[in-house]
Parts: sequence; C-alpha cells; structure tokens
Amino acid sequence: NAGVIQTPRHKVTGKGQEATLWCEPISGHSAVFWYRQTIVQGLEFLTYFRNQAPIDDSGMPKERFSAQMPNQSHSTLKIQSTQPQDSAVYLCASSLGPNYAEQFFGPGTRLTVL
Amino acid sequence: AQKVTQTQTSISVVEKTTVTMDCVYETRDSSYFLFWYKQTASGEIVFLIRQDSYKKENATVGHYSLNFQKPKSSIGLIITATQIEDSAVYFCAMREASSGSWQLIFGSGTQLTVMP
Repeated sequence: NAGVIQTPRHKVTGKGQEATLWCEPISGHSAVFWYRQTIVQGLEFLTYFRNQAPIDDSGMPKERFSAQMPNQSHSTLKIQSTQPQDSAVYLCASSLGPNYAEQFFGPGTRLTVL
Repeated sequence: AQKVTQTQTSISVVEKTTVTMDCVYETRDSSYFLFWYKQTASGEIVFLIRQDSYKKENATVGHYSLNFQKPKSSIGLIITATQIEDSAVYFCAMREASSGSWQLIFGSGTQLTVMP
C-alpha cells in the first residue's frame, strides 16, 4: 500500500500570495491530520478530519488558514496571503480509526515564503 | 493541560550498544496513548512503537522497547543493538483517549547519533 502522499514537496511563494497544499491519506484510513513543523515551535497540531468531517481545528491560525476534505481520498490546506512566518514543513498524517491510535505521516510539504 | 517533555537534546552512542531516551508527559486523562516516532535525515517521520496507558506490560517491537513507569508519567524508549541507520531524531508523543480530539502532542525530540 502506498503511504500518505503530499504534493507539492516544495513550494516557494512570495509574501501575500496564496498556497494550497494537498494530501492523499492512506486508503481506508478514516482520520486525516495536519501538523506544522518548525525549528522554533517543533511539531504542532493544526487540524483534523474524521470521516471527512472537520473535528478539531484548535491549532489553526484563525486568519488566513483553512482546511477542507471534499472526499475521502484527499484533503487540502490553504494559506491565504502567506507571510514569512508561515514558512515551515507542513505534514499530513492519517490513521485507521479510534482503536488504531497511531498516525502515519506523509513526507511533508516544505513551504518557503519569501 | 497536555504536555510532553524530552530533556535530552542529543545522545551519541557506539553501534551495537543499548541506548535509552527519556520522555515525561502530563495529562489529566486517565486513559491515553503514548508513541515514539523517528524522523530520518530526509525528513520522513516513521511510527515506531505505542504504549496504551491501561497496559502494564511494556511494549516491544523488534529492537525497540519501552520502559513505561505510569506513577512517574514516564515513557522511555530503549533501543538495543543500535545500528548506524538508527541515527535520527526521536519524538515522544501522546494522545488522550477521552477527549474528543485525536491530536498528537509531541515532545521536542532527541537527536541520536550512532557512531561506528
């Protein structure tokens, strides 16, 4: 089975531009998670979906960040008006269900905002 | 509030020896899951091993094992017979079972270097 797929692997945007990051979870996994990794903050939770429904977005910056899961095979994280402080590796993970607590991570998208 | 703390920033060992990495956690939940992940030099994050809070037996997978000390809120990772390719950053993580959120709370990581 393929693991979690994330595209693009690298993205460079100018300040103020929009960035859309894509994630394809492992087939059959019911939960999809987004995390962000920086040197300063480490690994931070952003948001997650269960059976495509948004469940917890407590880690999402309230402005400019949004996430969707239009179908069971992909999720998107959109950042509007990107700022240099948004530069990070954005990681998507999926898990099989409530009794399978471990999450499996994709390779991440490295976002650089100039 | 949930918190996971890894105080060891980096550890160096000689290959084929045993290494232990420390992790302590804070939670008000009576039921929770603890995990160790490894991040390789390429950035890939790999799930290694899991411990459920209600289980008294320490989990073991291959040459990874856990030292779960619930009264001390501690979950140490033990790697036996280390290999060069075990060099990576190791993250401890926790998920509370009772809360509605399945988010993982991560520690800051421990860089392991295995030398020949």
